[in-house]
Amino acid sequence: DGGITQSPKYLFRKEGQNVTLSCEQNLNHDAMYWYRQDPGQGLRLIYYSQIVNDFQKGDIAEGYSVSREKKESFPLTVTSAQKNPTAFYLCASSVRLIAGGYNEQFFGPGTRLTVL
Amino acid sequence: GENVEQHPSTLSVQEGDSAVIKCTYSDSASNYFPWYKQELGKGPQLIIDIRSNVGEKKDQRIAVTLNKTAKHFSLHITETQPEDSAVYFCAANRAPSGSARQLTFGSGTQLTVLP
Repeated sequence: DGGITQSPKYLFRKEGQNVTLSCEQNLNHDAMYWYRQDPGQGLRLIYYSQIVNDFQKGDIAEGYSVSREKKESFPLTVTSAQKNPTAFYLCASSVRLIAGGYNEQFFGPGTRLTVL
Repeated sequence: GENVEQHPSTLSVQEGDSAVIKCTYSDSASNYFPWYKQELGKGPQLIIDIRSNVGEKKDQRIAVTLNKTAKHFSLHITETQPEDSAVYFCAANRAPSGSARQLTFGSGTQLTVLP
């Protein structure tokens, strides 16, 4: 059963602690993305990666870090430097087309992070 | 950078009626416009997309129109059903050719289909 998995679905952390959110895909997609979603707002891009061992900042990268050691995995760490970490975090992936460019993004089920 | 505005923020329609959601974008270089449906507590799912070389695209009860001159695009859902109730997001792509898509999303529309 192919798809994108994010774990856990709900995550609670105390203020000041770093926390790592998991994202795994078995779709053999090349690019992976992390978005943040706040109530009543659209998705905002945190980081994305087009290839293993490479990633770029999105619009709101401050206070976050990522790694891409394997094609199928793109974990996101929410550091204590992130001022308002409580949000719904979504991971996505897309395949690189032979002709260049990337196909549509497929999203995982999300992780709801609450910082107490 | 790109800015996408979406309206209305909430929309209620009677079952069987049509629903229209509109988005405007700011970057004339954007060339890819997907629409996503998000059910409560789940990740968004792509329902339809359109590229800038096309003015309209249809898929059964769903259609999207694009006006590049005016920089706006719209989602049309006909013969709405209760299962169409969800939050709908538009987005625009501002990534350079060959680069991973950096989608900019609208703020979403909560569609409620009343039985």
